[in-house]
Amino acid sequence: DTAVSQTPKYLVTQMGNDKSIKCEQNLGHDTMYWYKQDSKKFLKIMFSYNNKELIINETVPNRFSPKSPDKAHLNLHINSLELGDSAVYFCASSQKGMGGATSEDTQYFGPGTRLTVL
Amino acid sequence: AQKITQTQPGMFVQEKEAVTLDCTYDTSDPSYGLFWYKQPSSGEMIFLIYQGSYDQQNATEGRYSLNFQKARKSANLVISASQLGDSAMYFCAMREWGNNDMRFGAGTRLTVKP
Repeated sequence: DTAVSQTPKYLVTQMGNDKSIKCEQNLGHDTMYWYKQDSKKFLKIMFSYNNKELIINETVPNRFSPKSPDKAHLNLHINSLELGDSAVYFCASSQKGMGGATSEDTQYFGPGTRLTVL
Repeated sequence: AQKITQTQPGMFVQEKEAVTLDCTYDTSDPSYGLFWYKQPSSGEMIFLIYQGSYDQQNATEGRYSLNFQKARKSANLVISASQLGDSAMYFCAMREWGNNDMRFGAGTRLTVKP
């Protein structure tokens, strides 16, 4: 059973298009995250939701919009894609995540979505 | 602001030997957690080990152990009896009690030689 799943795994699209990446977790976790990993492998948090409530909204272009229809899903919609958006996007989840630094805050990652903007 | 430093961009180790991957961190929060992740060439991020700032003992998980030196603010990952499958990027991360996010270091690429 896949714990954190993302679709699609690969996404190739033209500049200016709008695309979405879906994420689902079946771990019963309360908190979900989106990260961006650039070509140098640097991982940067983008958003975090706890029980469908936005708790982290880092400085990302407002072309990126997360949506959490329920606790198990966190989708990422990107408008007007740009070349610089090309990266690997990871979804993650943790059992807790609202303050705290225990083992229950361990984040489990999805397989990643490699986005290529042409 | 918290900061994670991994000073070794790349490391090599002979198969079956032990290797230490360095991680230092900077925080003023007395309560925090440290995490290590492995990212093989296939791309997934795999959680390896957790250490809490108040844990009395160093964390261990199979061949992975954490050399936690709180006063030095270091949390080095030790991999014993390296295997070819250990070749991957390794990321150190920290989460402070008062924050909702986790910050990652730049990573260390480990190559295990046969």
